[in-house]
Amino acid sequence: ELKVEQNPLFLSMQEGKNYTIYCNYSTTSDRLYWYRQDPGKSLESLFVLLSNGAVKQEGRLMASLDTKARLSTLHITAAVHDLSATYVCAVDDTNTDMCFGAGTRLTVKP
Amino acid sequence: DSGVTQTPKHLITATGQRVTLRCSPRSGDLSVYWYQQSLDQGLQFLIQYYNGEERAKGNILERFSAQQFPDLHSELNLSSLELGDSALYFCASSSTGGGTGELFFGEGSRLTVL
Repeated sequence: ELKVEQNPLFLSMQEGKNYTIYCNYSTTSDRLYWYRQDPGKSLESLFVLLSNGAVKQEGRLMASLDTKARLSTLHITAAVHDLSATYVCAVDDTNTDMCFGAGTRLTVKP
Repeated sequence: DSGVTQTPKHLITATGQRVTLRCSPRSGDLSVYWYQQSLDQGLQFLIQYYNGEERAKGNILERFSAQQFPDLHSELNLSSLELGDSALYFCASSSTGGGTGELFFGEGSRLTVL
């Protein structure tokens, strides 16, 4: 059974600080996705990582994928309040449906 | 705007009732997925359709059913509603059938069962 675990589940950080969210998964898939979800809203696609070593950056967010370690990281640089949201990773295995992590609820404080 | 349209956005009903949620996928996408998200919970996969055929089933209750029509829109039917069915129901679409591929989510339908 495919499992996706994120940590931490809750993260409170100050503006200007850096932090990393981790996403571990149990399959050999090389397709991993990061989404952002604001409270009561839909999921917005942030990054699509399709190969080992893939790294993508958008603004203050950078995502990477290590398929050998079955690990993806989402690094936040110099956080700002607008980044407050829940960040969800998901893994896609050809033989199963997409499996979502529980999400990391990020709060950025002034 | 993801291109995925869901209606209604909000729905309030009573226990024992039946409701239908509707989803129109992005133009060209053949796969439609339904997910349930209860308060402060992660996404729970319910069911997937690909080009009109059921492709995968998740933790969908027997009281729930879905279908995908020839024009590729999909409907999720929830019957004999219980308080615990109150949740956000998301529809997502993708262009692939085998393996999910990148999903594009609708804005969700918020169901409240009183």
